[in-house]
Amino acid sequence: EAGVVQSPRYKIIEKKQPVAFWCNPISGHNTLYWYLQNLGQGPELLIRYENEEAVDDSQLPKDRFSAERLKGVDSTLKIQPAELGDSAVYLCASSERGDTTEAFFGQGTRLTVV
Amino acid sequence: AQSVTQPDIHITVSEGASLELRCNYSYGATPYLFWYVQSPGQGLQLLLKYFSGDTLVQGIKGFEAEFKRSQSSFNLRKPSVHWSDAAEYFCAVAPSGNNRKLIWGLGTSLAVNP
Repeated sequence: EAGVVQSPRYKIIEKKQPVAFWCNPISGHNTLYWYLQNLGQGPELLIRYENEEAVDDSQLPKDRFSAERLKGVDSTLKIQPAELGDSAVYLCASSERGDTTEAFFGQGTRLTVV
Repeated sequence: AQSVTQPDIHITVSEGASLELRCNYSYGATPYLFWYVQSPGQGLQLLLKYFSGDTLVQGIKGFEAEFKRSQSSFNLRKPSVHWSDAAEYFCAVAPSGNNRKLIWGLGTSLAVNP
């Protein structure tokens, strides 16, 4: 079974440019997460979806970040415009519905803003 | 506020030596507890989890962890470390009944000497 797939793996952009990340969760997983991970830090939740509904986006900087999961399957995270401080690894994870299931993580997208 | 503390930022052990990584949490009730491992350039992989029951939990790759309610701790152990165990280890907790809202520690970086 394929795991969580993210693309691209690496992205280098100039500041003020837009960038988008894509995530395809494990088939059948209703819950999808986007995390941000800075170097030497733990992951920080940006947004969590239950199917197509964003149920927790309190940590998403909505002035420049947006996300969608239109059909409740794959998801896109966008930054526009990107800032130097956005350089980080963006992780996607998914889990089945329920309180005792684990989250499976993709390999992440490493973003460098120059 | 809920928090997770991993007191050791970096640990170095010799191959074949035993390992213990510490994790303490601050939460009123018994939370769900997790240990994840992240190898360089990889996503996070679940090593083990504790929800209830036996306080000694066995995980993958020969790891185990023990939940100690009196100490609010969930330390990760391995009796004999292999060079391939060199990675970043993260402890995470979630309020009981809502394991999707994970709170992460800052991680412990493990180096293994030959």
